Order: sequence, then structure tokens, then C-alpha cells
Amino acid sequence: AQSVAQPEDQVNVAEGNPLTVKCTYSVSGNPYLFWYVQYPNRGLQFLLKYITGDNLVKGSYGFEAEFNKSQTSFHLKKPSALVSDSALYFCAVDYGQNFVFGPGTRLSVLP
Amino acid sequence: IAGITQAPTSQILAAGRRMTLRCTQDMRHNAMYWYRQDLGLGLRLIHYSNTAGTTGKGEVPDGYSVSRANTDDFPLTLASAVPSQTSVYFCASSDSFQHNSPLHFGNGTRLTVT
Repeated sequence: AQSVAQPEDQVNVAEGNPLTVKCTYSVSGNPYLFWYVQYPNRGLQFLLKYITGDNLVKGSYGFEAEFNKSQTSFHLKKPSALVSDSALYFCAVDYGQNFVFGPGTRLSVLP
Repeated sequence: IAGITQAPTSQILAAGRRMTLRCTQDMRHNAMYWYRQDLGLGLRLIHYSNTAGTTGKGEVPDGYSVSRANTDDFPLTLASAVPSQTSVYFCASSDSFQHNSPLHFGNGTRLTVT
């Protein structure tokens, strides 16, 4: 069965420091991987996706993610965190028919 | 502004009552979806529609029904609400003809069943 894991419920980082939000997946075939962000009382917003090609994908707001096939991971990264990056982040896999979402990781960037 | 509109924003509903959550999109997307979001569980798919006139069941369809009479509207109906249906409901759409296109979400409906 297709599944997505986000091993950390909460990630805290100081403003200006690099951040990583982890995601691992279990899916047969070639995965299509996504990251979404959710701000309070809003729907999810698309950040970036990996389909094929370069393992490092760049997205909105300075975020990037690295696809690692051997480790079945797709970690979200940003070189320098902002307080405004504080939100709930979801990793998702598209296995053709529908999306499967991870449980979410709450990122808190401390000033 | 193009996007997805959901109504109502929030609702408190007595158990046993019928409720329809409305969803309208103006992006002419072919595919539409209903998810529920519960703490620690992420988003779970309730029902989906790949094109007007067709619908399908997702991961948690029991107690819910949908219809897709046209491209823009995709209402979700709870025929007889139960407390376990207390959740935040999100409608989403995608251009399914575009390979691996991302989902576009509405701002959600917060439903409390008492």
C-alpha cells in the first residue's frame, strides 16, 4: 500500500538557521512527490513537486527538496528560515489516481 | 480571484441532521476532491470526481455522498450526521489532463457534530 511518513510532529528552528522537514514514502513504481504548506484557517498550498530528473527540486518561498531514491525520502529544506515560515507542512505522493498525504509536521521558527 | 470557494466556513450540527457542504471552482479543472483533516491523521480522501458526471470513493467514503452535475460544483452531503464526522473538510481540484498537476484547495469548512 502507498504510504507517507513524516517522523517529526514538530520542528523548532531559530530564525536564520537552516531547516529540514523530513518525509519518507512507500510506493511501488516511480513516485511523484509533493510538498504543501498550510497556514492557520487556510487550505493547503502547493510548494514544490518531484516528477523526474534532477534530485534537487526548487519551489516557492525559497524552499527546496531533495529526492533520494535509495532512502525513499523527500526532505524539505530551506537555507535560512523566516518566522513567516511557521506553518504546518505536508508531504504527499501521487500514485496516479489520487494523492496520499503524510500526517503533517508543524514548523515553528523562533525569532 | 480564481480559486475554490467553500461554504459554510463553519457549522455546528446536531447528530442525525442532514448537511450539504458546498464547493465551487472557477478554474475549469476536470478533477475535484473532498478531504477531511483530523489531527495526527493528515488528509484523508472521502470522494473524488475525475470529470463531470462521474464520481468515485476514496479512503473514507462511508456516511458521505457527492454529485458532479457540472464542472464547477462538487457538493458533499452527510445524510445523517454522527459525532465522528466532526472534522475540517477541504475541497480541492486539479487539472487532471496536465501530468501530475498539483491540487488547489479551498479554505475549508469546520464542522462540529454534537
